[in-house]
Amino acid sequence: RKEVEQDPGPFNVPEGATVAFNCTYSNSASQSFFWYRQDCRKEPKLLMSVYSSGNEDGRFTAQLNRASQYISLLIRDSQPSDSATYLCVVNPNSGYALNFGKGTSLLVTP
Amino acid sequence: DGGITQSPKYLFRKEGQNVTLSCEQNLNHDAMYWYRQDPGQGLRLIYYSQIVNDFQKGDIAEGYSVSREKKESFPLTVTSAQKNPTAFYLCASSIDAALGGYTFGSGTRLTVV
Repeated sequence: RKEVEQDPGPFNVPEGATVAFNCTYSNSASQSFFWYRQDCRKEPKLLMSVYSSGNEDGRFTAQLNRASQYISLLIRDSQPSDSATYLCVVNPNSGYALNFGKGTSLLVTP
Repeated sequence: DGGITQSPKYLFRKEGQNVTLSCEQNLNHDAMYWYRQDPGQGLRLIYYSQIVNDFQKGDIAEGYSVSREKKESFPLTVTSAQKNPTAFYLCASSIDAALGGYTFGSGTRLTVV
């Protein structure tokens, strides 16, 4: 199985900052893409799917570049409650299991 | 409320002992998955099942076994052949992973004592 690669961080930012996470995947046949959030010692939870046209959910914007095999997550006006690990997730082939990156750690300080 | 339940939350295993982790879902999902998470390692796939009475090995299946006799249940047995079982184990389910991602259980922390 191909890998999903992320910068592990940590990203330490002040409240109100804009922060961007990047992710690359190696399998060009990958079918679908997601960002998950994982709080310390908890299970991952789906933050948002990532669509080819880009998509936004409140302060969060996700982008996909299939040609470069690159996914991004932008968080605007970051809040202390955004502090967590963000996992980049790829479905390499239809009918298989999701492939998780190791995550990027974010700490937002008041 | 629909969801996915893992038990126990914490489990301690002696050397050479087999233990079974429970995973039950009432979401009517066909597919279920087991992952292992170690610090700094991310989630690694152990086994997955797309339908009752069928399952496939993931990337790190050695030392583990599963069964899928009911749609709702996908228990994982950590056998004595698994030499480094201390980890956080996560069970997940989905209607179709390609479409909507997973719903995870709250996990089981297994420690060898």
